[in-house]
Amino acid sequence: KQEVTQIPAALSVPEGENLVLNCSFTDSAIYNLQWFRQDPGKGLTSLLLIQSSQREQTSGRLNASLDKSSGRSTLYIAASQPGDSATYLCAVYGQNFVFGPGTRLSVLP
Amino acid sequence: SAVISQKPSRDICQRGTSLTIQCQVDSQVTMMFWYRQQPGQSLTLIATANQGSEATYESGFVIDKFPISRPNLTFSTLTVSNMSPEDSSIYLCSVTGGAFGYTFGSGTRLTVV
Repeated sequence: KQEVTQIPAALSVPEGENLVLNCSFTDSAIYNLQWFRQDPGKGLTSLLLIQSSQREQTSGRLNASLDKSSGRSTLYIAASQPGDSATYLCAVYGQNFVFGPGTRLSVLP
Repeated sequence: SAVISQKPSRDICQRGTSLTIQCQVDSQVTMMFWYRQQPGQSLTLIATANQGSEATYESGFVIDKFPISRPNLTFSTLTVSNMSPEDSSIYLCSVTGGAFGYTFGSGTRLTVV
């Protein structure tokens, strides 16, 4: 059974810092991995999708990498801003779609 | 990728009543998914809804409590029946967009008092 974990559970940084969020999964037989952002009480916004054949994807200040063999993905956020404050979820799609518990990010002005 | 309109965005309901949540997709999709996110938790899949057939429920979720309709390829509803405070959660619908990954509705924040 696929299990997804995310470290850290919460993170508070001053504005302008570069930061890394980590996602680990136990079963490497996945089709893709997706990073989402969730604002409090709201739905999910897709940030990046990495297919199993890809190593990384970039969108603006976000870069996500995937190492399927080791069961790890990282989300790199450059030059963080207060507007980046949210919960970040990773989800892997193998036999089904499994979410991690999320990292709650606070970027302080 | 698909755009999903979900409503209501939030509601406060009395225990013992039912609430129906609607999701409308701007394109035809084969499968729609319904998730629950309890306070402070990650998302849990409730069921997968295919048009023209019964929804497939995950372990721990039953049709009597969470009946789902899927009358066509762009619309689905989830009803939370006979609600109790433990049903207070965010409910989300989702579709898969192939190469675009999964797209989610904006969520329904349900509070049962």
